Amino acid sequence: ELKVEQNPLFLSMQEGKNYTIYCNYSTTSDRLYWYRQDPGKSLESLFVLLSNGAVKQEGRLMASLDTKARLSTLHITAAVHDLSATYFCAVGGYGSSNTGKLIFGQGTTLQVKP
Amino acid sequence: DAGVIQSPRHEVTEMGQEVTLRCKPISGHDYLFWYRQTMMRGLELLIYFNNNVPIDDSGMPEDRFSAKMPNASFSTLKIQPSEPRDSAVYFCASRQQGGGNTIYFGEGSWLTVV
Repeated sequence: ELKVEQNPLFLSMQEGKNYTIYCNYSTTSDRLYWYRQDPGKSLESLFVLLSNGAVKQEGRLMASLDTKARLSTLHITAAVHDLSATYFCAVGGYGSSNTGKLIFGQGTTLQVKP
Repeated sequence: DAGVIQSPRHEVTEMGQEVTLRCKPISGHDYLFWYRQTMMRGLELLIYFNNNVPIDDSGMPEDRFSAKMPNASFSTLKIQPSEPRDSAVYFCASRQQGGGNTIYFGEGSWLTVV
């Protein structure tokens, strides 16, 4: 059974600081997604990582994937208040079993303080 | 495109009543997913369809829950009879065939069973 674990689950940080959210998963997968959710809102897709060593960046967020270690990271550079939200990683099926089914981590709630 | 459209956005119902949640996926998407989000259990996949056919309903909590997809542009999730523990946000999501394609989420249906 595929399990996805994120840490930390809660992160309070000062504006301007850097930090990393970790996403570990238990079985082989070839797809990893990062989503953002604001309170009371839907999930917004941030990144789709498809191969070992994949790195994607958008603004102050950078995501990477190490399929051998079964680990993805979401790095936040020089945080700003607008980044306050809950971030989820989600892991999908592998190869021929690629069905689009995603299993989500618990989410990391990020609070950026002025 | 209007995105994934869900209705109702909010519903308050009494225990024992039937609840029907509706979803219109993005046109051209082959996969449709129903997720449930609660504080205690996070995001859980309930069921998903491929080309209108249910593929995996192992996440459906019990027989009180049922889902249908009569055509490519419409799906329902029904709870009968509803119970207070069913209170949650129910998200519908859709995706196009292809391993790297993003899953897009609707705005969610906020269900409260009293």
